[in-house]
Amino acid sequence: GESVGLHLPTLSVQEGDNSIINCAYSNSASDYFIWYKQESGKGPQFIIDIRSNMDKRQGQRVTVLLNKTVKHLSLQIAATQPGDSAVYFCAENPRGYIPTFGRGTSLIVHP
Amino acid sequence: GAVVSQHPSWVICKSGTSVKIECRSLDFQATTMFWYRQFPKQSLMLMATSNEGSKATYEQGVEKDKFLINHASLTLSTLTVTSAHPEDSSFYICSAREGGVTDTQYFGPGTRLTVL
Repeated sequence: GESVGLHLPTLSVQEGDNSIINCAYSNSASDYFIWYKQESGKGPQFIIDIRSNMDKRQGQRVTVLLNKTVKHLSLQIAATQPGDSAVYFCAENPRGYIPTFGRGTSLIVHP
Repeated sequence: GAVVSQHPSWVICKSGTSVKIECRSLDFQATTMFWYRQFPKQSLMLMATSNEGSKATYEQGVEKDKFLINHASLTLSTLTVTSAHPEDSSFYICSAREGGVTDTQYFGPGTRLTVL
């Protein structure tokens, strides 16, 4: 069936390094993608989104890349900080723009 | 930015009792609200979608008589877990969308329910 998945369940990086979190999606009809950050015991927090008419979008220290050819989405975090430690979810909107969440990647930033 | 609140942030109840969780959009009117459930170290599972003034649409496998949803106003939706049992213990998260289908969803902080 259609699904959104993540390649790496856990990613460990050193403070100051760049982080790349990957996501694969399978629904070719999806045209809107979102990255969320969820800290322990809290609700997901919107980070950045991208529509299918774009292949790159930048925010503050974050960049989302979309490769529609291989149905791949990535979130790049520059100069990763301890406060970036969290679970990151990608979501796609295949049905009436209700996000379907992937499994999540736990980002651990070591000082 | 858009803020969504939930109350309570955590609740402990006895088996067989009912628990109501409130979700409010604080600085915008939410035409649509969503309720999710999340187990430890797992992703969010959509339970239902509610539009103001109409009945909620439940996802497959979610008991509508067990999880009562009321979206009585553009800023408030409630989820009532009726006759709660230990297996209902979970993290419940709501989200709200302001307008059209292309609008971003904003999430509440979640409610931790523990049923003894």
